[in-house]
Amino acid sequence: DQQVKQNSPSLSVQEGRISILNCDYTNSMFDYFLWYKKYPAEGPTFLISISSIKDKNEDGRFTVFLNKSAKHLSLHIVPSQPGDSAVYFCAASARRGGSNYKLTFGKGTLLTVNP
Amino acid sequence: EPEVTQTPSHQVTQMGQEVILRCVPISNHLYFYWYRQILGQKVEFLVSFYNNEISEKSEIFDDQFSVERPDGSNFTLKIRSTKLEDSAMYFCASSDQDVSGGYTFGSGTRLTVV
Repeated sequence: DQQVKQNSPSLSVQEGRISILNCDYTNSMFDYFLWYKKYPAEGPTFLISISSIKDKNEDGRFTVFLNKSAKHLSLHIVPSQPGDSAVYFCAASARRGGSNYKLTFGKGTLLTVNP
Repeated sequence: EPEVTQTPSHQVTQMGQEVILRCVPISNHLYFYWYRQILGQKVEFLVSFYNNEISEKSEIFDDQFSVERPDGSNFTLKIRSTKLEDSAMYFCASSDQDVSGGYTFGSGTRLTVV
């Protein structure tokens, strides 16, 4: 049951160029979306989030775009840096009642930024 | 920067043995979670814990699993009788009321069942 899908297992870009990571979801109840970055032997680290009432959120080099009608979101990293090389996870939440914020994760995309 | 601490970093256990994975969440957080990632697969939700009780659990979290917050600071995951398929990275996480800032995850415990 893949409610959150990241169809590209890997992506390779040149340093300084834009990285675009894509994510699709199927559950219409999701109302919050998050991107996490994960290095080997570490836990996921929160990057950026977006509420379903917005279509764009920007934080420094990271921008997340949400297309609700297409149930699609993307993470743009510009300019990409070698230190951005990691696995990027898309996650979604259906917030309910203030008692639980369970996240459903995609399988992740391995981003490699080449110097 | 506050962090979630997990111990041990790696645990090897015999099939059928009990294991306890330990976590110290961020002190002012109210929500606590366990997730796991089997090698090569996605991060999967196991259980969420709020106000000293389980608020939601997945179908993975069967009777072999239990969680406790025994002393107001530690948050533990117990697997009563481990199976080979329990081998995975187990991540503890905590959050405050606002999910917009995401959870804070620990570095994980790699559980290997032999």
